[in-house]
Amino acid sequence: QVQLQESGPGLVKPSGTLSLTCAVSGGSISSSNWWSWVRQPPGKGLEWIGEIYHSGSTNYNPSLKSRVTISVDKSKNQFSLKLSSVTAADTAVYYCARAVTSSRFDPWGQGTLVTVSS
Amino acid sequence: QSVLTQPPSASGTPGQRVTISCSGSSSNIGSFTVNWYQQLPGTAPKLLIYSNNQRPSGVPDRFSGSKSGTSASLAISGLQSEDEADYYCAAWDDSLNGPVFGGGTKLTVL
Repeated sequence: QVQLQESGPGLVKPSGTLSLTCAVSGGSISSSNWWSWVRQPPGKGLEWIGEIYHSGSTNYNPSLKSRVTISVDKSKNQFSLKLSSVTAADTAVYYCARAVTSSRFDPWGQGTLVTVSS
Repeated sequence: QSVLTQPPSASGTPGQRVTISCSGSSSNIGSFTVNWYQQLPGTAPKLLIYSNNQRPSGVPDRFSGSKSGTSASLAISGLQSEDEADYYCAAWDDSLNGPVFGGGTKLTVL
């Protein structure tokens, strides 16, 4: 079955750019699904960041849109997240997930904690 | 402040039935299906209920979902200690043009 695995630096400096990659295994990223990023600040709830289709079409959360870029690499069966101008408020566990339908995410990656600190 | 409103906590004793509510509006729950996620401590969320009341393969039938108007509910019957987790509702939102989550409900099994 499809599995997702996030990777990337666990520590990013304030004003820097957070970069994460989600590797998809057990299935093709070119299937008829959207691929999403969701984050969870420590002790808080879930926040959708954005999504991408294998064609390159994207949708972003309006609250983050000016700082977010999601891209796809079909040759590597993976997609990526870049979040610029980060602050401590961007400290969170970042999850990638397959969006089976609009708000139905399954499966999820295990998540990766990114801390914004100098 | 989350777009969907859930009670921050819920509790019950083993064997009991508990329900968790999720309140939204016409731009989300009122127009789209609701999905529920279970997040066990220190793990990623897991899809628990989709399309208001459908269970993915492997989810016990102790878990059930329902939706009426702009609200939805998750019910857990025969409560077990391993059900202690955070539960989140989610739905598409036309105003955001994206999915929104509830703030989460921490379920404690007493």
